[in-house]
Amino acid sequence: EAGVAQSPRYKIIEKRQSVAFWCNPISGHATLYWYQQILGQGPKLLIQFQNNGVVDDSQLPKDRFSAERLKGVDSTLKIQPAKLEDSAVYLCASSFPGRGKTQYFGPGTRLLVL
Amino acid sequence: TQLLEQSPQFLSIQEGENLTVYCNSSSVFSSLQWYRQEPGEGPVLLVTVVTGGEVKKLKRLTFQFGDARKDSSLHITAAQPGDTGLYLCAGVDNYKLTFGKGTLLTVNP
Repeated sequence: EAGVAQSPRYKIIEKRQSVAFWCNPISGHATLYWYQQILGQGPKLLIQFQNNGVVDDSQLPKDRFSAERLKGVDSTLKIQPAKLEDSAVYLCASSFPGRGKTQYFGPGTRLLVL
Repeated sequence: TQLLEQSPQFLSIQEGENLTVYCNSSSVFSSLQWYRQEPGEGPVLLVTVVTGGEVKKLKRLTFQFGDARKDSSLHITAAQPGDTGLYLCAGVDNYKLTFGKGTLLTVNP
């Protein structure tokens, strides 16, 4: 069974530029999560989708970050404009819907903002 | 704000040694999970503990959940280089995971 796919794997941009990340969840997983993992820290939830609706975006910096999941499958996370402190690994995870369902993580996109 | 403190932050040992890492929470979650994250990869779930006092074993890994359900430990027996990675604990509330900062383990051959 294919896992969670993410692209690109690495991205280097300059501050104030824009960047977008793509995630394809495991087939059949209605719930999709985006996490930010800064070096030396654990992942922090940015946004959770159930199908194409947002369940929780309380920790998403909405002035610069946006995410969408238009058809309830793939998702994109965008940063515009990027700041130095956005340098991190952006992880996508997916799960079946419901409490206590195991989240499966993709390999992440490593972003460096110069 | 619910916080998870993990210790030690870094651990470097020789192959064959035993080790224990700890996770302490400022509050009670509905359950607690342990993950291992290898370089360049996402975290992979190792175990979920739910009941106070629970002990779970996964080959050479033993997980304990404290009676008060606020602390947990992971013990590895006879560590191998393949155990190298970042060990993360995460508190679970409904769907939401709150992660600690992790313990970075290096097992030297």
